Amino acid sequence: GNSVTQMEGPVTLSEEAFLTINCTYTATGYPSLFWYVQYPGEGLQLLLKATKADDKGSNKGFEATYRKETTSFHLEKGSVQVSDSAVYFCALRTNNAGNMLTFGGGTRLMVKP
Amino acid sequence: DADVTQTPRNRITKTGKRIMLECSQTKGHDRMYWYRQDPGLGLRLIYYSFDVKDINKGEISDGYSVSRQAQAKFSLSLESAIPNQTALYFCATSDSAGGNQETQYFGPGTRLLVL
Repeated sequence: GNSVTQMEGPVTLSEEAFLTINCTYTATGYPSLFWYVQYPGEGLQLLLKATKADDKGSNKGFEATYRKETTSFHLEKGSVQVSDSAVYFCALRTNNAGNMLTFGGGTRLMVKP
Repeated sequence: DADVTQTPRNRITKTGKRIMLECSQTKGHDRMYWYRQDPGLGLRLIYYSFDVKDINKGEISDGYSVSRQAQAKFSLSLESAIPNQTALYFCATSDSAGGNQETQYFGPGTRLLVL
């Protein structure tokens, strides 16, 4: 079956620090990969996605590259801000599972001024 | 106005009680989903509906039921609530048409506490 593994949090960084949140996956077929973000008190929002190997998704300064050889989709940002404090979820979707998303456990990021 | 709304936002109930969580959307999407979120476990799919007459069990459907009253409305019921159903519940929608069918749009969540 499909599964997604994320690094456990919380991740605490100072403002302007470099961010990496690791995500690896197991899937049958060729998944699409996603990062969702959940700000305090809100629902999840799509942050970025990649649909095939070597694609790079990017949004709001965040990036993630679909690495088929390492089955990874690590999230990175060069300089985090306090407003990036949130919970980040890695997820995948495969064609043989309809439109079902499989989520990782989430990683809480706290950015201090 | 929010595209996906959930009511109530918070609910406290007692073991054995029946409760209903409601979800409405104005996005015109045909597909709707119910998830629960538990700390460290991410989101897990409870039920999903691809249209009004198509309802399917997800990963963790035991103890839950759903009703798709209209394309825009999808409700989740706990027939007899138990404490391990204490969680944050999210409704989501997606559109099977067009080029953006992989993106799901989430409501703000309902926090449920079962005593």
